[in-house]
Amino acid sequence: GAGVSQTPSNKVTEKGKYVELRCDPISGHTALYWYRQSLGQGPEFLIYFQGTGAADDSGLPNDRFFAVRPEGSVSTLKIQRTERGDSAVYLCASSLYSNQPQHFGDGTRLSIL
Amino acid sequence: AQTVTQSQPEMSVQEAETVTLSCTYDTSESDYYLFWYKQPPSRQMILVIRQEAYKQQNATENRFSVNFQKAAKSFSLKISDSQLGDAAMYFCAYRAVYNFNKFYFGSGTKLNVKP
Repeated sequence: GAGVSQTPSNKVTEKGKYVELRCDPISGHTALYWYRQSLGQGPEFLIYFQGTGAADDSGLPNDRFFAVRPEGSVSTLKIQRTERGDSAVYLCASSLYSNQPQHFGDGTRLSIL
Repeated sequence: AQTVTQSQPEMSVQEAETVTLSCTYDTSESDYYLFWYKQPPSRQMILVIRQEAYKQQNATENRFSVNFQKAAKSFSLKISDSQLGDAAMYFCAYRAVYNFNKFYFGSGTKLNVKP
């Protein structure tokens, strides 16, 4: 596609539920990143994929968060047993290679009631 | 750890005037990149300008320019001839050369442009 696509645009769910957020990077981009942006803050790094593998997952806050990129393209961020503190905008970015500029999607606004 | 600080939560500028947004950072690295990103209400982060730390010359991109002071670890953004479309959140960001997968972002400055 022309840019990084994230779905859904908005997600509202109840505390304790499981959610999946999808990121479709720019075609051909090998590197993919997930960030979390809480209200009034800048984005915080969560995880970085190079191809299919998670090269750096040091930003994942706890084991309720998990991300996959099975075919080296689309990525899914999975959150189990959601908590109200997980409410944020989740941004995805991709780059042709890891040392190239990152292109961001519009994000998914996740609201946990 | 690297930290990026933006001390101005909100700024206002009159259309056609000039405004400067401040950013300071802390790092022990000698080589790194600095960025300014714009985030309109659509939430997409748009790259405004980028500076390589090894370059002494300040980066310029049309109406946008930076004042990079490496010794002071300061990286301010100047917007000249401000336009209504410049209104957005602006984030300063740092990325190391050798650990280039991570961006470290400041908390942002909301820029209002008055007609």
